[in-house]
Amino acid sequence: QVQLVESGGGLVKPGGSLRLSCAASGFTFSDYYMSWIRQAPGKGLEWVSYISSSSSYTNYADSVKGRFTISRDNAKNSLFLQMNSLRAEDTAVYYCAREGGDGYNLYYFDYWGQGTLVTVSS
Amino acid sequence: SSELTQDPAVSVALGQTVRITCQGDSLRSYYTSWYQQKPGQAPVLVIYGKNIRPSGIPDRFSGSSSGNTASLTITGAQAEDEADYYCNSRDNPWVFGGGTKLTVL
Repeated sequence: QVQLVESGGGLVKPGGSLRLSCAASGFTFSDYYMSWIRQAPGKGLEWVSYISSSSSYTNYADSVKGRFTISRDNAKNSLFLQMNSLRAEDTAVYYCAREGGDGYNLYYFDYWGQGTLVTVSS
Repeated sequence: SSELTQDPAVSVALGQTVRITCQGDSLRSYYTSWYQQKPGQAPVLVIYGKNIRPSGIPDRFSGSSSGNTASLTITGAQAEDEADYYCNSRDNPWVFGGGTKLTVL
């Protein structure tokens, strides 16, 4: 069965860095776009970044552009999010999610990990 | 990027039907997907495309769309359906609605 397991969250001071990982199993990881989505405490879902199946394309929310970098290692079935210059407003549970769709007008996130909590505080 | 607008909260009596709506310009171009999130858990996809339910999602969940509005309908709501529901669309490049908290009375 499809599994996504995030790790790497924790407490970090403002201005600090953190690298999140997502280990994928149960499907051909290299066939799928992947995204990071976050949820601040008591708030809604916010898409953060995506990466194409071969790493050719990446995109970021304006709120993290220039500070976060998404990457993947298809040989190790792993997704990453390097987070630099962290701010208090980056405090959230970070989920990795698999993207599905037809590449035209049908898109969705069909599998999500359980999330990893990032807390930015002094 | 565009926005998706949802009512913050909706309630329904046990066994009755409830509709949760989502409005946004991107819905004219892309299908909406819907997610259920219970406290302390990750979101779960419940509807995508033209009313497609992933395996394991009860058939009391259905989706529809017209113009810039998409709807998630729960026919015969159960206590276990009490959760937050989010709509989502592909638009520059992704956008989520603010979420609707469903209370089953």
